[in-house]
This record gives sequence, C-alpha cells and structure tokens, in this order.
Amino acid sequence: DVKVTQSSRYLVKRTGEKVFLECVQDMDHENMFWYRQDPGLGLRLIYFSYDVKMKEKGDIPEGYSVSREKKERFSLILESASTNQTSMYLCASSLFGQGRGNEQFFGPGTRLTVL
Amino acid sequence: DQQVKQNSPSLSVQEGRISILNCDYTNSMFDYFLWYKKYPAEGPTFLISISSIKDKNEDGRFTVFLNKSAKHLSLHIVPSQPGDSAVYFCAASPTGANSKLTFGKGITLSVRP
Repeated sequence: DVKVTQSSRYLVKRTGEKVFLECVQDMDHENMFWYRQDPGLGLRLIYFSYDVKMKEKGDIPEGYSVSREKKERFSLILESASTNQTSMYLCASSLFGQGRGNEQFFGPGTRLTVL
Repeated sequence: DQQVKQNSPSLSVQEGRISILNCDYTNSMFDYFLWYKKYPAEGPTFLISISSIKDKNEDGRFTVFLNKSAKHLSLHIVPSQPGDSAVYFCAASPTGANSKLTFGKGITLSVRP
C-alpha cells in the first residue's frame, strides 16, 4: 500500500522562525511535490523535484526553499515564517513517466499556523 | 491565468440522486485528466482519471466524461451518498515524463441525507 507521510499534522510557529516540513514516501517514486491549499484558491504548487538534489520552482515559490538529499525525502523550508504562510501544506509523490504515472499520491497534510 | 477552472464553488445534492461536477480547461496540451477527493484535515485521494484518447471512463459509481472539442470534463456520481460529501479537485497534465499536474480550485459537494 502506497504511503506518503508528513512529519507533523499541526504546527504553530511564530513570525520570523525557520520552519521545516518533512515528507517521506515509501513507493520509490522519482517525483515529489509541495503544495499549499487555501480556501477558494485550491492547490497551488510551491516546488517540485524529479530526482535527488534536483528542484524546480512551482507557481508560488517565494518565501520557500526545498531540499532533496535522498530519493524518499523532500523537505520544505520556510526561511522566515510570516503570517501569510499560514496554510495547509500537502506533499505528494508520483512515478516518472506517462499516463498513469501522472497520478500523484498525497500525504495527510500539515496545518501550519504562523502567529 | 487559470488553466483548469471549476466555476461552481459548491454543489448540494439529495442522497440517491446524481451529482455532476464540472471542469473546464484552456491548455490544448493537456491530455490526461484526474479527479481527486479531499476530506477536511486529510490529503487528497485519487478518484478516477481519463486519457484524451477516451471520452468516458467508469469506475463503480463514478464516471468521468471528456469533451475535447469543448475542453470540458465532468464527474458523475450515481447514486450520491452522504459519504461523498467532500471537496473535489479536477487536475490536468500534458503527456510526457513531466507529471506536473495543474489543479482547479475545487468544488465542495454536500450530499443531503
């Protein structure tokens, strides 16, 4: 059974703190993604990675960075958290390829609140 | 510019009736489409998909229809059940090794008992 896990379900941080969100998948997927979900805005792609040590900006990368040192792990970093980064953060992974490989598997999400 | 549009933010349906969720896209390069379902405080789960070489795909109570000329797809749920109440996201991607998906904003479906 495929599984994507995220380090925390709920997180509360203060403005200016450095925040790490961790994601691990056990499906040997090449691709990993970070999204944020906000009411009325749907799922917006922050960063993605097709391979170890590789990263590409998504639609809203400002204020975020990522790290992929191992194939199974993809970390999202908020260098200096701000209140407008309060959101639900979702990690996903998928196989490299066409057709069915485009299906992404999601983790349970991390609800981050920045005070 | 929104490439995948779900214009209705919400839909309310009586239990046992049909739910029809609509999605429009603008990018002609999209040829693979997926629907995801999301409950509050959980990650989205894959529901059903369709390739552009088909115009219909069915899986139990869920059927997705694709109209390429109109750049429109729809998800039909028959019969609707209270447990179907969730947010439904439409997503699309072009063919190729790049499996980046473009999501719509989602539709909140409420199925009344």
